[in-house]
This record gives sequence, structure tokens and C-alpha cells, in this order.
Amino acid sequence: DVKVTQSSRYLVKRTGEKVFLECVQDMDHENMFWYRQDPGLGLRLIYFSYDVKMKEKGDIPEGYSVSREKKERFSLILESASTNQTSMYLCASSTDRVHEQYFGPGTRLTVT
Amino acid sequence: RKEVEQDPGPFNVPEGATVAFNCTYSNSASQSFFWYRQDCRKEPKLLMSVYSSGNEDGRFTAQLNRASQYISLLIRDSKLSDSATYLCVVRAGNTPLVFGKGTRLSVIA
Repeated sequence: DVKVTQSSRYLVKRTGEKVFLECVQDMDHENMFWYRQDPGLGLRLIYFSYDVKMKEKGDIPEGYSVSREKKERFSLILESASTNQTSMYLCASSTDRVHEQYFGPGTRLTVT
Repeated sequence: RKEVEQDPGPFNVPEGATVAFNCTYSNSASQSFFWYRQDCRKEPKLLMSVYSSGNEDGRFTAQLNRASQYISLLIRDSKLSDSATYLCVVRAGNTPLVFGKGTRLSVIA
């Protein structure tokens, strides 16, 4: 079974803090994605990566950065957390051969 | 990125009912189509792919109309366990998946 894990299920941070969200997949997938999901807005793509060291902006990259130093790990960084970044963050991975995306369980981040 | 539009619902149906969800997409270059299911407080998971000829998986039938840029999902004999949000998803070329906002289904005993 494909497994995508995220470092925390729940996280509470203060405004201005630097926040790291980690995602690890164990199926040697080339592609990894970060989304946020908010009520009424659905899933919105923040950043994605098709290979190690590569990253591309999604639909809402402002206020975020990413790092992919190893194939299995994709990190989302909030340089200076703000209250409007309170959300559910979902990581996903996929392989080029099969389009199905496998999601991690999500991290519910609250910024106070 | 072009959008995928779905009726948000909620659809409240009794057990055993047949329910249909519709989805339209605006990017005519879309080539791959899927339905994902998301249970409350859980991550989305692939329910089924949608093929041009239509496809069926047990009680679930998916259909695609490329000319109208329209996708449907039919659930027959609804079960309580079908209660979830159903996400319509499309992809054009090698671009990331584009997710609809989802349609919420509640199956009532």
C-alpha cells in the first residue's frame, strides 16, 4: 500500500513564527504536491514538484515556500505564519505512470 | 487554471435511493477524468477513473460527455456508508489535477 505521512495531525503556531510541514512518501513517486483545503473553497494547490530539487508554483504560492532535497520528502514552509494561513494542509504524491494521487492524512494548522 | 464546477449539495437521500452528481469542466484540453471521495475529516481517495465509453464499478457508474464537457457519477442503492463528499477531478496533459469543490452526500436511514 502507498503510504503518505505528514509530520503532525494538529499544529498551533503564533503569528510570525516560521512553520515547517513535512511530508514523506514511501512508494518512490516522482511527483509531490501541497494543497490547502478550506470550507467552501475546496482543495487549492500551493506548490508541486516533479523531481528532486524541482518546484513549481501552484495556484496560491504566496506566503509559502517548499523544499525537496530527497525524492521521498517534500516540505512546506511558512516563513512568517499569519492567521489567514489557518487551514487544513494536505500533501499528495503520484507517479508518472498512474495519475492517481495519494494523499496524506492532513495537518490542521491553527495560527493565533 | 480553468475550473471544475460541481453542485455543492448537500444531497440528502434515503437508503436505497439512486443519486446522480454532475460536474462540468471548462478546459477543453482535459484528457483524464476522475471521481474522488472524501470522508469527513479524512483525506481524498480515488473512487474511480472516468473513461470515454463510461464505466461501472458495482453500484457506481461514471460517464463522460466530451462534447458538453460534462462528467457524471451515478450511485445506485445508496448505503449509509456512501455519505461523503465527492470530488470531480480533471487533468490536461502533464499538468496537476484540478479538483472541483465537491458535492456532499448524506444517506439517511
